[in-house]
Amino acid sequence: KAGVTQTPRYLIKTRGQQVTLSCSPISGHRSVSWYQQTPGQGLQFLFEYFSETQRNKGNFPGRFSGRQFSNSRSEMNVSTLELGDSALYLCASSPFTGGGNTIYFGEGSWLTVV
Amino acid sequence: AQKVTQAQTEISVVEKEDVTLDCVYETRDTTYYLFWYKQPPSGELVFLIRRNSFDEQNEISGRYSWNFQKSTSSFNFTITASQVVDSAVYFCALSELALGRLYFGRGTQLTVWP
Repeated sequence: KAGVTQTPRYLIKTRGQQVTLSCSPISGHRSVSWYQQTPGQGLQFLFEYFSETQRNKGNFPGRFSGRQFSNSRSEMNVSTLELGDSALYLCASSPFTGGGNTIYFGEGSWLTVV
Repeated sequence: AQKVTQAQTEISVVEKEDVTLDCVYETRDTTYYLFWYKQPPSGELVFLIRRNSFDEQNEISGRYSWNFQKSTSSFNFTITASQVVDSAVYFCALSELALGRLYFGRGTQLTVWP
């Protein structure tokens, strides 16, 4: 069974640009969530989608957005990139939403903003 | 408020030594879930274990064991006879019943020397 797949793995963007990251969850998983990992702030929750609806959102500015498609695949977008957005962005999937699920992570997308 | 504390930032051991990674959590919920993940340099968070708040039985899986104590709000992880391949950052995390989002500790960098 394939794991959580994220693309692209590495990317470099310039300040002010926007970026879109993609995530394909484990087959059969309907919940997708996104996390940002930085040396300074650690692992922080961005948002969760379940059945194409945003279920939960972390404390990030509106420049960070996401969506989920009918096949459960998800994308997140960051507009007007800032240097501080340089991070590892991790996508995770689980069968359902709620705390009782095991959450599996992808390898992440390494974003560098210059 | 939910909080996970991993007081050990870095631990170094020599191969075959036993090592324990500490995790202390805070939550007001009576139903919650605790996790441990391993993050190698590639970036992926590898799921190791999930434990719910009603199950205080210790668990052993090969060289890995976990000790859950509600009385001290701790969920510690022990690696017996450590190996070089165990070198990674280990994260403890908490989720609550209603929402699937994970609250992570800051992680413990484990280095196992040959």
